[in-house]
Amino acid sequence: GESVGLHLPTLSVQEGDNSIINCAYSNSASDYFIWYKQESGKGPQFIIDIRSNMDKRQGQRVTVLLNKTVKHLSLQIAATQPGDSAVYFCAENIQGAQKLVFGQGTRLTINP
Amino acid sequence: GAGVSQSPSNKVTEKGKDVELRCDPISGHTALYWYRQSLGQGLEFLIYFQGNSAPDKSGLPSDRFSAERTGGSVSTLTIQRTQQEDSAVYLCASNLGRLAGGRDNEQFFGPGTRLTVL
Repeated sequence: GESVGLHLPTLSVQEGDNSIINCAYSNSASDYFIWYKQESGKGPQFIIDIRSNMDKRQGQRVTVLLNKTVKHLSLQIAATQPGDSAVYFCAENIQGAQKLVFGQGTRLTINP
Repeated sequence: GAGVSQSPSNKVTEKGKDVELRCDPISGHTALYWYRQSLGQGLEFLIYFQGNSAPDKSGLPSDRFSAERTGGSVSTLTIQRTQQEDSAVYLCASNLGRLAGGRDNEQFFGPGTRLTVL
């Protein structure tokens, strides 16, 4: 398979704090990126996306930053809530390809 | 419903038995993807369908794994002679299958089938 088979890195933050989840992507030809959230027992769900011609995009309480120079993507979640506890995956779409390549994921735990 | 559905939600089988996992994509989605997710790990790509053909089956781990899609809709992932290492959640996703880029590349996931091989 294409994703790494490592155990997920974890991040714990206090409720109300901001969190930053990082992702290194692999292909400089990637033109589109998505962050997915996966809650326990469910499939991944879309959170926010960004095209490669942008370096920042904001949603409700979430911001995605893209640094193409170092092939790095980050997801910032502001004022975290217990419902934000989940596994977060970044995914890249290589231009002209018809599949997403997923990062390994990060488990975020929000402590009350 | 409007989303991707998968069945069964849970499957427990004995080592050596064959299993079939089913995916119903979103209506009108021409592309369909299968992934495997082992406990506490990321998504492992298995196979991708465009219509009824599979341009990329590079992720199938062995010849015990096969998949088909009929009528450009429902897909079945079959695992023959299951082994304990096949235990995982099998996720299906679909999208419009366009190469336009942007939001067209978003994949919509089903809830997965949790397979346990005893």
